[in-house]
Amino acid sequence: EVQLVESGGGLVQPGGSLRLSCDASGFTFNSYEMNWVRQAPGKGLEWVSYISIRATSIYYADSVKGRFTMSRDNAKNSVYLQMNGLRIEDTAVYYCVRDPTHFQHWGQGTLVTVSS
Amino acid sequence: EIVMTQSPATLSVSPGERATLSCRASQTASSYLAWYQQKPGQAPRLLIYGASTRATDIPARFSGSGSGTEFTLTISSLQSEDFAVYYCQQYNQWPLTFGQGTKVEIK
Repeated sequence: EVQLVESGGGLVQPGGSLRLSCDASGFTFNSYEMNWVRQAPGKGLEWVSYISIRATSIYYADSVKGRFTMSRDNAKNSVYLQMNGLRIEDTAVYYCVRDPTHFQHWGQGTLVTVSS
Repeated sequence: EIVMTQSPATLSVSPGERATLSCRASQTASSYLAWYQQKPGQAPRLLIYGASTRATDIPARFSGSGSGTEFTLTISSLQSEDFAVYYCQQYNQWPLTFGQGTKVEIK
């Protein structure tokens, strides 16, 4: 069974940093591309970032480009999202999702709250 | 970027009735269109990809159609568990973009 477990969310002040982690199991992690998708409270879904199997291609939404960095460790079956310069509008549940373009498998999400 | 616009924002339907949800792309998405269902407190669930292919374990009452810029999700006979928010998503080009959602509520 595919499992994606996010961690690292929490409360942070504007301008602060957080690092999200996603631990994957139940599939051959180093054969799959991964993404992060977020959802602000009561709002819709927003794609955030994509990473290829060997991390040779990484894409970002314009809203986070230059502030967020996605990475992966295939030895640890994990992906990460380093979030710097956090803004109030980054407040959301962040989902780790498998596959490059449309998403069959989602984690349960981790809540990031940016507030003073 | 491709802007996805869903209509209506809210759809009130009685159980057993047919529901038709629309999604329009600001430029062609070809057939690279997915639909998701989301219930409160849950992660989204993939229903349809490739505009018309049902995902694993999705009931046959869910069907998708369309190509280019106009897409439709049809639920042929609404069951109680189908009342939820539905999102379309294009994956024809980066950035991937979602519609704002259609809430299907009980009439």
